[in-house]
Amino acid sequence: NAGVMQNPRHLVRRRGQEARLRCSPMKGHSHVYWYRQLPEEGLKFMVYLQKENIIDESGMPKERFSAEFPKEGPSILRIQQVVRGDSAAYFCASSPLGVWEETQYFGPGTRLLVL
Amino acid sequence: GQQVMQIPQYQHVQEGEDFTTYCNSSTTLSNIQWYKQRPGGHPVFLIQLVKSGEVKKQKRLTFQFGEAKKNSSLHITATQTTDVGTYFCAGRGSSNTGKLIFGQGTTLQVKP
Repeated sequence: NAGVMQNPRHLVRRRGQEARLRCSPMKGHSHVYWYRQLPEEGLKFMVYLQKENIIDESGMPKERFSAEFPKEGPSILRIQQVVRGDSAAYFCASSPLGVWEETQYFGPGTRLLVL
Repeated sequence: GQQVMQIPQYQHVQEGEDFTTYCNSSTTLSNIQWYKQRPGGHPVFLIQLVKSGEVKKQKRLTFQFGEAKKNSSLHITATQTTDVGTYFCAGRGSSNTGKLIFGQGTTLQVKP
């Protein structure tokens, strides 16, 4: 049973470019969460999605960031016009039902470096 | 908003010594989860506590959830070099959508 998949594992972008991060949840999981981890810090919630729906985006920056989880294919976290402060590890987690008592399983993360 | 504080930020111990990290929430939690992250790795789920006053053990690891469901602790007995990593607590509030609020983590270094 494959775990949560994320790609790319490492991404280098220059300031002003776009970054697209992909997440394929575990088989049978239809709930996806994105978290950001700055160096030496804990993980900060960004957004929670179900297939074709954004459930909670309270942690998403108001500008330049967007997320989607289409009916087919992986969840995408998109960062437009990246800045150096966007450099971080971005982790995706998935769960089967999205209920409060469920465990979230994390992917290996995408390390984004903005030059 | 809801906050989860974790102390200490760093802990250096000699192999064989015990280690404890503490987690405190600004609000009552519905449950709390603990994760371990190795350098360059991703958070790996360790355990979930749900009931007030709950205590769970995994070999040398003991996890506690406070009576008021606002604090938790992880205690490791007789640390080994394989215990090295950052330990995070992550709480869920009673009314949120399932998102986890992470503490800042405690990084454990073990000297052989």
